[in-house]
Amino acid sequence: AQSVAQPEDQVNVAEGNPLTVKCTYSVSGNPYLFWYVQYPNRGLQFLLKYITGDNLVKGSYGFEAEFNKSQTSFHLKKPSALVSDSALYFCAVREKEAAGNKLTFGGGTRVLVKP
Amino acid sequence: DTGVSQDPRHKITKRGQNVTFRCDPISEHNRLYWYRQTLGQGPEFLTYFQNEAQLEKSRLLSDRFSAERPKGSFSTLEIQRTEQGDSAMYLCASSLVGGAYTDTQYFGPGTRLTVL
Repeated sequence: AQSVAQPEDQVNVAEGNPLTVKCTYSVSGNPYLFWYVQYPNRGLQFLLKYITGDNLVKGSYGFEAEFNKSQTSFHLKKPSALVSDSALYFCAVREKEAAGNKLTFGGGTRVLVKP
Repeated sequence: DTGVSQDPRHKITKRGQNVTFRCDPISEHNRLYWYRQTLGQGPEFLTYFQNEAQLEKSRLLSDRFSAERPKGSFSTLEIQRTEQGDSAMYLCASSLVGGAYTDTQYFGPGTRLTVL
């Protein structure tokens, strides 16, 4: 079974400050990890993924995430947050060796960036 | 390259009625997924297709739910005898797998269903 935990329901940050959204995961084998962002009444927009290779993954809009196998974490980061980054962020996992490709999502973290 | 599209965007229906949603994936994507998202929660997997074959169904997909992808392109999700508990956002995603392609799933805007 695979699962994702996003321990913070909401993260508040001032514009220009660093932003971190936490994610931990559990899978039986090796993980593929994803971050998506959702704006109000919209679908999910892909930000970045970890498949293999470098533990630091760079994605869209200045976001990056660091894969930490020993801590089973995949935290999302942005060095300098913008007001427009205010949205709902979802971490997702699937097991690399699994036949199906279904994603298991965390409960989401709402990010509020204040001017 | 257009994204995933879904129709309708919103559907309001009365309890007991049948509803059908449509999803058009990114062209040439061979996998298509349906998820359900309730308010304040992350999306939950319902089912997926590889071309026209439905390969996996979640236990969330009761007998009242049926999905098809008849020609391996667009897909439909039908809910029969809707219940208030079916009220949710229904998300469709598509991906390309095989060869050098890893299966990043790209999502459509969703269909928001409200059952009165």
